[in-house]
Amino acid sequence: KAGVTQTPRYLIKTRGQQVTLSCSPISGHRSVSWYQQTPGQGLQFLFEYFSETQRNKGNFPGRFSGRQFSNSRSEMNVSTLELGDSALYLCASRTGTGAGELFFGEGSRLTVL
Amino acid sequence: AQSVTQLGSHVSVSEGALVLLRCNYSSSVPPYLFWYVQYPNQGLQLLLKYTTGATLVKGINGFEAEFKKSETSFHLTKPSAHMSDAAEYFCAVSFYQGGSEKLVFGKGTKLTVNP
Repeated sequence: KAGVTQTPRYLIKTRGQQVTLSCSPISGHRSVSWYQQTPGQGLQFLFEYFSETQRNKGNFPGRFSGRQFSNSRSEMNVSTLELGDSALYLCASRTGTGAGELFFGEGSRLTVL
Repeated sequence: AQSVTQLGSHVSVSEGALVLLRCNYSSSVPPYLFWYVQYPNQGLQLLLKYTTGATLVKGINGFEAEFKKSETSFHLTKPSAHMSDAAEYFCAVSFYQGGSEKLVFGKGTKLTVNP
């Protein structure tokens, strides 16, 4: 069974640009969550999508957005990039019901110059 | 509000020594508890989880954790550290709010294993 796949793994952008990150969950998983990981702040929850609807949202500005498609694949977008957006962005999937564990992808490492 | 506190952002042990990583949580409802491990340049991987039943939970790679409700703790242990255990470890608590499950992570503990 294939794991959670995130693309791209590494990317470099400049301030003011926008970026789109992609996540393909494990087959059969309907929930996709996104996290931002930085050395200073640790793991911070961005949002969760379940069956194409945003189910939970963290405390991030509106520059951070996401969506989920009918095949459960998800994308997150960050507009008007700032230096502080440099981080590892992790996607995780789970079945979406019950207390299910999260299955994480390897992350997309974003560097903003 | 539910929260997770991991005592010690860095822990260093010698190879063969006991590993003890501490986790305390606050939750107003019975929690589900998890330990995840992250190796360099990788995502997080589940080590073990507590949902209901036996309070001593065994996970992968020889790790185990004990849920102590009275102490609101879920400490992670391994009797004998191996060099390959060097990684960052995250404790997490899951709870239901507003009809959906939320997961809160601790800030992580980086484990160093010295030869």
